[in-house]
Amino acid sequence: EDQVTQSPEALRLQEGESSSLNCSYTVSGLRGLFWYRQDPGKGPEFLFTLYSAGEEKEKERLKATLTKKESFLHITAPKPEDSATYLCAVWAGGYSTLTFGKGTMLLVSP
Amino acid sequence: DGGITQSPKYLFRKEGQNVTLSCEQNLNHDAMYWYRQDPGQGLRLIYYSQIVNDFQKGDIAEGYSVSREKKESFPLTVTSAQKNPTAFYLCASRVDIRLHQPQHFGDGTRLSIL
Repeated sequence: EDQVTQSPEALRLQEGESSSLNCSYTVSGLRGLFWYRQDPGKGPEFLFTLYSAGEEKEKERLKATLTKKESFLHITAPKPEDSATYLCAVWAGGYSTLTFGKGTMLLVSP
Repeated sequence: DGGITQSPKYLFRKEGQNVTLSCEQNLNHDAMYWYRQDPGQGLRLIYYSQIVNDFQKGDIAEGYSVSREKKESFPLTVTSAQKNPTAFYLCASRVDIRLHQPQHFGDGTRLSIL
């Protein structure tokens, strides 16, 4: 059974204080790892797809990386508008469905 | 703009009542999904559909039913058999269940018990 564990559950940062969120996974044959951002009362918004170990993707202050066991979402010099819950999901390919982690709730204070 | 529309945004259910949540997409996606989100639980899959007139149970299908009569529509009915229906319900779609493109989500329906 595929499993995704995200840590920490919650993270509070000061504006400009860089940090990383972790997504550890066990899946038989990873075909894709997805990062989403979710604002309160909204649906998740797609950020990145990573396909293989060593791959990196960047968007503004966010950078996602992937190893064979985990993915990191690095947040550089965060701003209050980066406050949200960040979700990670894995896909084993074929007709399988995505397995989601429980998310990391990020709060960035000015 | 293409996207996924869920309605209503808020819904209240009385005891013994069935309610239906609407999900419409104009992305021309074949695959559609329903998730339930509870605080601290993450997203749990209720039902999914790979193609019109076909759907499969997810991890927590008991007390729910769906239909897929049109490509763009995938309504979810929460039946009276679902004893704890209070949650945030999310609909998603994907180009094709077998392809690596990501799922895209609607903005959810929050269901509460009266």
